[in-house]
Amino acid sequence: EVQLVESGGGLIQPGGSLRLSCAASGSTFSTYNMNWVRQAPGKGLEWVSCISTDSSNIYYADSVKGRFTISRDNARNSLFLQMNSLRAEDTAVYYCATEGDYVLDVWGQGTTVSVSS
Amino acid sequence: SYELTQPPSVSVFPGQTASITCSGDKLGDKYACWYQQKPGQSPVVVIYQDNKRPSGIPERFSGSNSGHTATLTISGTQAMDEADYYCQAWDSGTPVFGTGTKVTVL
Repeated sequence: EVQLVESGGGLIQPGGSLRLSCAASGSTFSTYNMNWVRQAPGKGLEWVSCISTDSSNIYYADSVKGRFTISRDNARNSLFLQMNSLRAEDTAVYYCATEGDYVLDVWGQGTTVSVSS
Repeated sequence: SYELTQPPSVSVFPGQTASITCSGDKLGDKYACWYQQKPGQSPVVVIYQDNKRPSGIPERFSGSNSGHTATLTISGTQAMDEADYYCQAWDSGTPVFGTGTKVTVL
């Protein structure tokens, strides 16, 4: 089974940019569609973006469309989320997750993004 | 956009049955899954494809989905089951999460 480790979170000012990474190990990363899901403090889960195995299909939640860019590097077993024009409401724990049969079956431990001046 | 609604909270005595509902338009026509999330931890799948349990998930967790409602049932609830639970379905190829339910074991 794949293991996922996110990194790249931190404190950033409104309007700033941040790039999150998700490193996969233990299985064949390239065979999984991948997703980013976030959770604001004390709130529920919110899907952010997904990318197909070969990067041919990419989708975004309306709340991040035009500001966030998902990408992957199968040779490096890595998933990325470039976040631009960050807002206070983007403050959250960001999880990467593999996509199984109609389920997000493996999740990382999350990385925290705080947007504040 | 597609929405999934859950009750904010459910309380249950140890050993009793807890039922958590998830409502969405024609949800029964989609696959539903359920995640358990304990404080400070990542979500864990407890039910997928309406009623399948991943390996390692106790048999006391079961699921159903019909009409406009999916249900997660925890039979013989234990203290360790106290957590937040989220349903999730797929709409236009992307995941949609329910509003979440906090299960309290009294």
